[in-house]
Amino acid sequence: GAGVSQSPSNKVTEKGKDVELRCDPISGHTALYWYRQSLGQGLEFLIYFQGNSAPDKSGLPSDRFSAERTGGSVSTLTIQRTQQEDSAVYLCASSLAVTSGVETQYFGPGTRLLVL
Amino acid sequence: AQTVTQSQPEMSVQEAETVTLSCTYDTSENNYYLFWYKQPPSRQMILVIRQEAYKQQNATENRFSVNFQKAAKSFSLKISDSQLGDTAMYFCAFTPQGGSEKLVFGKGTKLTVNP
Repeated sequence: GAGVSQSPSNKVTEKGKDVELRCDPISGHTALYWYRQSLGQGLEFLIYFQGNSAPDKSGLPSDRFSAERTGGSVSTLTIQRTQQEDSAVYLCASSLAVTSGVETQYFGPGTRLLVL
Repeated sequence: AQTVTQSQPEMSVQEAETVTLSCTYDTSENNYYLFWYKQPPSRQMILVIRQEAYKQQNATENRFSVNFQKAAKSFSLKISDSQLGDTAMYFCAFTPQGGSEKLVFGKGTKLTVNP
């Protein structure tokens, strides 16, 4: 079946503008994660959704970052008033709901954001 | 705090040879999971192998195997018969069981397989 998809693949914006990044998880996956990968760094967790609720937002770096998920499917990560330090690859991952044990997260190809 | 350390920023290996990538982690959790992900230039993160901490037997997936030393908090990845397609960034990741199960990643090892 189809994997996790993200759009756009690349986004160039000017400092101060708002951007929206989209993630379509694998069908049937109720858990959704956003991560950020800055140049030369590992991935850092941003936010976790279970269904439409976000029980863990601990990784969002500032109040300029927000995310929502509708219909238990598509998620949008919004960055307001972008700054140059927001330049990074934003990766989305999804997994099945946890029953027992930890489910494997499957990643999308990411959105590369460049803030000029 | 839970941390994952990959001490080898870059490694190279000749095609058909074996290479081992190192990973150590720090946690006070008893039940957790460990993963190795591969990220080729296409950016797509691909799961290579996973290990449940409660399992003593080391996980194996074809040419990929791990050496899991729970007491030492070490989780190395061995790639046998290296292929050109194995060239990628390799990330070690950890998650405790329960909660959001967010992954904590190391900074990665860039592996180059030379012909």
